Amino acid sequence: ETGVTQSPTHLIKTRGQQVTLRCSSQSGHNTVSWYQQALGQGPQFIFQYYREEENGRGNFPPRFSGLQFPNYSSELNVNALELDDSALYLCASSPRGEGSLYEQYFGPGTRLTVT
Amino acid sequence: QKEVEQDPGPLSVPEGAIVSLNCTYSNSAFQYFMWYRQYSRKGPELLMYTYSSGNKEDGRFTAQVDKSSKYISLFIRDSQPSDSATYLCAMRAGTALIFGKGTTLSVSS
Repeated sequence: ETGVTQSPTHLIKTRGQQVTLRCSSQSGHNTVSWYQQALGQGPQFIFQYYREEENGRGNFPPRFSGLQFPNYSSELNVNALELDDSALYLCASSPRGEGSLYEQYFGPGTRLTVT
Repeated sequence: QKEVEQDPGPLSVPEGAIVSLNCTYSNSAFQYFMWYRQYSRKGPELLMYTYSSGNKEDGRFTAQVDKSSKYISLFIRDSQPSDSATYLCAMRAGTALIFGKGTTLSVSS
């Protein structure tokens, strides 16, 4: 069984640029969530995708957007990058059914640095 | 007041010690409570989850939830150097997990 994978591992961007981060969910999982983890903080919920539609969103501005594809993989897009966007971006997938209530399995993350 | 409060530590213990990690929360609607372990530069790894109040044991780990006090704990028995990591509590709110800041644990041999 393949776990959650994310690409790229590291990324350096300039303020004002746009970035796309990618995530492949664990086999059998149909729900993908994205989190932002700043240094020394816990992860913060950005949004969740289920059946290719946004299924909940945290307190993040519209310049954070996402997609989910028919194979359940997902993208996180961030426009007009700001210095405060520098963080570890985590993708988590959840299984179908009741497990989705408490089981979220995280990938290794993409570390984004905005200069 | 943050929804989930967790003492960031750091916490340093000798090998073999019993470790107690704790979180408090303010939202009485939380029903699912999780503990994650995160090694440096890695994603969080689900350790245990508990539904509502009570205890749950898995090997050297025991999770406790006291909903009346809005307080959850994770106990680690016979701690090992490999347990050195950041421990994050998390609670389910709708489709999101709300995390504490994490407690950094160091177990010395």
